[in-house]
Amino acid sequence: AQSVSQHNHHVILSEAASLELGCNYSYGGTVNLFWYVQYPGQHLQLLLKYFSGDPLVKGIKGFEAEFIKSKFSFNLRKPSVQWSDTAEYFCAVNAGNNNDMRFGAGTRLTVKP
Amino acid sequence: GAVVSQHPSWVICKSGTSVKIECRSLDFQATTMFWYRQFPKQSLMLMATSNEGSKATYEQGVEKDKFLINHASLTLSTLTVTSAHPEDSSFYICSARGGGVGNEQFFGPGTRLTVL
Repeated sequence: AQSVSQHNHHVILSEAASLELGCNYSYGGTVNLFWYVQYPGQHLQLLLKYFSGDPLVKGIKGFEAEFIKSKFSFNLRKPSVQWSDTAEYFCAVNAGNNNDMRFGAGTRLTVKP
Repeated sequence: GAVVSQHPSWVICKSGTSVKIECRSLDFQATTMFWYRQFPKQSLMLMATSNEGSKATYEQGVEKDKFLINHASLTLSTLTVTSAHPEDSSFYICSARGGGVGNEQFFGPGTRLTVL
């Protein structure tokens, strides 16, 4: 069964610092990869997604992620975080044509002003 | 983007009662809808997948007689928590996927259930 691992449970950064959140998955076939963000008190929003093509995916709000197939990874990055990026970030994997999506445990990002 | 709504946004009920939560896709037809449960400070756990007009597929460990799912139309799915107990208190989130390309799911805002 597919699984998703997010290694960082809570990350604390100062404004303008660079961000990288790790995401690894276990599945040998074709995968679709997603990063979602959940701001306090709000519902999940899609940051970016990868289905095929260029492994470097750019999303909203200056986020990007790189799919490295050999490492089964899809890490999220942002060069300079803002206080408003404080939120919970979830990596998710959908395997090929399967219906269901598996979520990682989430990483809480706190950005100090 | 596509919009998914949930009703109610929060509900408090007594132990032993049943609660129905609705999930609607407002501007697209959802061939598949998903129900998740999210405990405080934890990730989303998939409970079940439902395709319009057919029985839901439940994840291992999820009691189908307790969590009744109906997907009667392409825009509406309902989750009924039967004989609710305090341990059923949680945040329930639905998502919907259309028939288009990409397997992208659109998430509802969630329903917070508190069972007293």
